[in-house]
Amino acid sequence: EPEVTQTPSHQVTQMGQEVILRCVPISNHLYFYWYRQILGQKVEFLVSFYNNEISEKSEIFDDQFSVERPDGSNFTLKIRSTKLEDSAMYFCASSDGLAGEETQYFGPGTRLLVL
Amino acid sequence: AQSVTQLGSHVSVSEGALVLLRCNYSSSVPPYLFWYVQYPNQGLQLLLKYTTGATLVKGINGFEAEFKKSETSFHLTKPSAHMSDAAEYFCAVHVDSNYQLIWGAGTKLIIKP
Repeated sequence: EPEVTQTPSHQVTQMGQEVILRCVPISNHLYFYWYRQILGQKVEFLVSFYNNEISEKSEIFDDQFSVERPDGSNFTLKIRSTKLEDSAMYFCASSDGLAGEETQYFGPGTRLLVL
Repeated sequence: AQSVTQLGSHVSVSEGALVLLRCNYSSSVPPYLFWYVQYPNQGLQLLLKYTTGATLVKGINGFEAEFKKSETSFHLTKPSAHMSDAAEYFCAVHVDSNYQLIWGAGTKLIIKP
């Protein structure tokens, strides 16, 4: 069964460093998403991406964040200068369509720890 | 704006007992409703979803949920809990006008032997 994959599973970085989280969405999906979950808090939407551009982004997704689909398979989230409060589990998801009834399929997550 | 409330951050049931995890939502437009499960050290897996039609939806692993518009609820049930059901369960809502899923806080299900 096709699945979303994410690398790395864990990342530890120093405050102020850049990190890139990588995702490989399901191959025939066209819509891609990043969510994050700070420990003990709700899952929060960061950004959605379609046709090589951002469709929607939340208030969390400020200038420190960027997304890219550098090739036909990868979808990346870059945090330019990490802060302590960026420590969270980051989930990538993909879907076949955009309608509300479409299922978003999630990867296993990357746990980011900023020291 | 949409929101989701899950009552109880932790629910503990005995093996073989009924599982009931509560989810209430608010939405100004017809919502689509999802339950996801997260097993320890794993990602978010779709358990079931309600889109249109039959209000009682069945999912994987013997779970089901009923959409009750009058109560704005989408509670998750399973007649008989199994040890392997121990996980965190998330209710989420999606509407056509948005791209994002709106999530509840999650309920950790604990199964007692």
